[in-house]
Amino acid sequence: GAVVSQHPSWVICKSGTSVKIECRSLDFQATTMFWYRQFPKQSLMLMATSNEGSKATYEQGVEKDKFLINHASLTLSTLTVTSAHPEDSSFYICSARRDRGDTEAFFGQGTRLTVV
Amino acid sequence: GQSLEQPSEVTAVEGAIVQINCTYQTSGFYGLSWYQQHDGGAPTFLSYNALDGLEETGRFSSFLSRSDSYGYLLLQELQMKDSASYFCAVLNQAGTALIFGKGTTLSVSS
Repeated sequence: GAVVSQHPSWVICKSGTSVKIECRSLDFQATTMFWYRQFPKQSLMLMATSNEGSKATYEQGVEKDKFLINHASLTLSTLTVTSAHPEDSSFYICSARRDRGDTEAFFGQGTRLTVV
Repeated sequence: GQSLEQPSEVTAVEGAIVQINCTYQTSGFYGLSWYQQHDGGAPTFLSYNALDGLEETGRFSSFLSRSDSYGYLLLQELQMKDSASYFCAVLNQAGTALIFGKGTTLSVSS
């Protein structure tokens, strides 16, 4: 199956600093990627849709200036958590499908962010 | 918007059969998907139903009734490794991104 790789798998940062998370599609081109956030024992909440070559589409309630998304190539999307605070500590996961009509979504392994 | 309801927890013993139900409310419907997620891991695709009826894939089957806005995932011959969270999901109104239910935690004991 298709592979989506996410890096880093975990990161600890100090409050006030920024953290960048990378999401790569390894064996297919993804014009669209998706970023989710998951708190312990909870569901995956869609944060934003990352569009190659254009601005990301953010879900209601997600601060676009805090969660910067860049999709500069067909295989790479990045999520930067700016001025991180302890409440931003969470599991961040990216996802992509081979084609828009594809029924199966592939997920990165996730990034566990801890802000201290 | 899209919303999905599923039970929060289910417990069963090895070898048993368990059914996880999912009801949904959507603006636009493109099909119902099921994903499995082990603790700390990435979700993995299990099944997808676009039409009414039962889809079988090995020990797992998934059912959809569009008229009832209802589906279920059926897991047979349960194994300890099936202990995980199971999410039903639908595409958002734009038909692009998956929206997930709250998830059902399945605990399989020996």
